Amino acid sequence: GAGVSQTPSNKVTEKGKYVELRCDPISGHTALYWYRQSLGQGPEFLIYFQGTGAADDSGLPNDRFFAVRPEGSVSTLKIQRTERGDSAVYLCASSPMSSSSYNEQFFGPGTRLTVL
Amino acid sequence: QQQVKQSPQSLIVQKGGISIINCAYENTAFDYFPWYQQFPGKGPALLIAIRPDVSEKKEGRFTISFNKSAKQFSLHIMDSQPGDSATYFCAAFNAGGTSYGKLTFGQGTILTVHP
Repeated sequence: GAGVSQTPSNKVTEKGKYVELRCDPISGHTALYWYRQSLGQGPEFLIYFQGTGAADDSGLPNDRFFAVRPEGSVSTLKIQRTERGDSAVYLCASSPMSSSSYNEQFFGPGTRLTVL
Repeated sequence: QQQVKQSPQSLIVQKGGISIINCAYENTAFDYFPWYQQFPGKGPALLIAIRPDVSEKKEGRFTISFNKSAKQFSLHIMDSQPGDSATYFCAAFNAGGTSYGKLTFGQGTILTVHP
C-alpha cells in the first residue's frame, strides 16, 4: 500500500515569505506527527495530531509555525515570515492509532525547505 | 536539552565486521527504545525496538542491548554489509505524561560499510 507522502519534495523560498508543506498519511492512520531534521541532526518533534486536533504542539519553535489537519487525514504545516534558520527537512509520520502503548510511526520522505 | 545522546557520529566498518552504536538517555520515564535507519533522501524507517523490561533483543543480524541501571542501550549489526550503509538513529518514547506521542531522537550515526 501507499506510504506517507509529502509535497513538495523540495521548496526554496526567500526570507520573509510564507510556505505550506503538505502531508498525506497512510490511509486509516489517526495519529500524525511533524518533525524537523536539521543537517547532521536527528529529527526533532514539532506537533502531534490525534484525529483533527493537535494533542501536543509543544515542539513548535514559535508562533510563526502552525499546523492543521481539518478532516483528520491530510495535514499542512504552515510557516509565516520564514527565516534562514527554518531551513531543514520537515518530516511527517503517521501511526495507526494512539494508545497507552507505542505504535510504530511511519515516516514520509520529507520536504527539504531552503530559505535564502 | 539533549535527552538522548548517541555515539559515534560516524563509523566505518569492513564488510563482515560488527558495527556498534551507543546511546544514553536521561529521562527515566522513557519506556520504549526504537532504532531507525535512514537512507539519503528517505524518511527514517523502524529497524528494531526494545522495552526496558528485557536486556537484549535480536532480529536477524541486528541486536539491541539494554542496560536500564546505566540508562544506556546499543545497536549491534553483525556481519555488516555494504547495503547497511546508512544513518542510524536511536530514539526514546514515553507512553505516558505530557510527552505522549513524540519520539526523542539521538543525533545520528553515519555508518559506512566498505566491501
